[in-house]
Amino acid sequence: EADIYQTPRYLVIGTGKKITLECSQTMGHDKMYWYQQDPGMELHLIHYSYGVNSTEKGDLSSESTVSRIRTEHFPLTLESARPSHTSQYLCASSEQGAVSDTQYFGPGTRLTVL
Amino acid sequence: LAKTTQPISMDSYEGQEVNITCSHNNIATNDYITWYQQFPSQGPRFIIQGYKTKVTNEVASLFIPADRKSSTLSLPRVSLSDTAVYYCLVGDAPSNDNQGGKLIFGQGTELSVKP
Repeated sequence: EADIYQTPRYLVIGTGKKITLECSQTMGHDKMYWYQQDPGMELHLIHYSYGVNSTEKGDLSSESTVSRIRTEHFPLTLESARPSHTSQYLCASSEQGAVSDTQYFGPGTRLTVL
Repeated sequence: LAKTTQPISMDSYEGQEVNITCSHNNIATNDYITWYQQFPSQGPRFIIQGYKTKVTNEVASLFIPADRKSSTLSLPRVSLSDTAVYYCLVGDAPSNDNQGGKLIFGQGTELSVKP
């Protein structure tokens, strides 16, 4: 099993609050990703990183921001949560330079903004 | 990035072999084909990956024809616990500068295994 962790698993919060979703991996992977997934729908890539100090926007526009100060840590922040941010957020990582890019996913954070 | 097309849903019974076919007409030379499994409220889990011909592991087999425009995931003798969404993806293999690796998840195939 992959060693990638997300906290919290569930979060219910009011509109306007600032939140940070944590993602950590202990595999030493350089690449990390954030996906957003609504119930019964497909995953959408919102952020990714190729290593420390590298962050890129994904295919789906998101008001969230990310940082990558340490290899193992890739937190996602929403400065002012809104009901439209209600979704499941999945973090993943993969090994840089691997022949093929197998991604290992965390358990996800289910966010509800009231 | 190549787009994939797969059936939205499939039904099966315990003990049957299930084959899920995925179309990826615009697959690029460097792309690998990867299948993931996702249970409700969990992150996707890697099942199998291949480039061409046939790949087999302890969980599944992956068949890829010579033109690589499609692939078939084969699950032998499914059980109730195989009920999940299965995603077919094609993605960049890392380039020389290691900047590749983005994957696109489609809608997936929702497999329902009945007793």
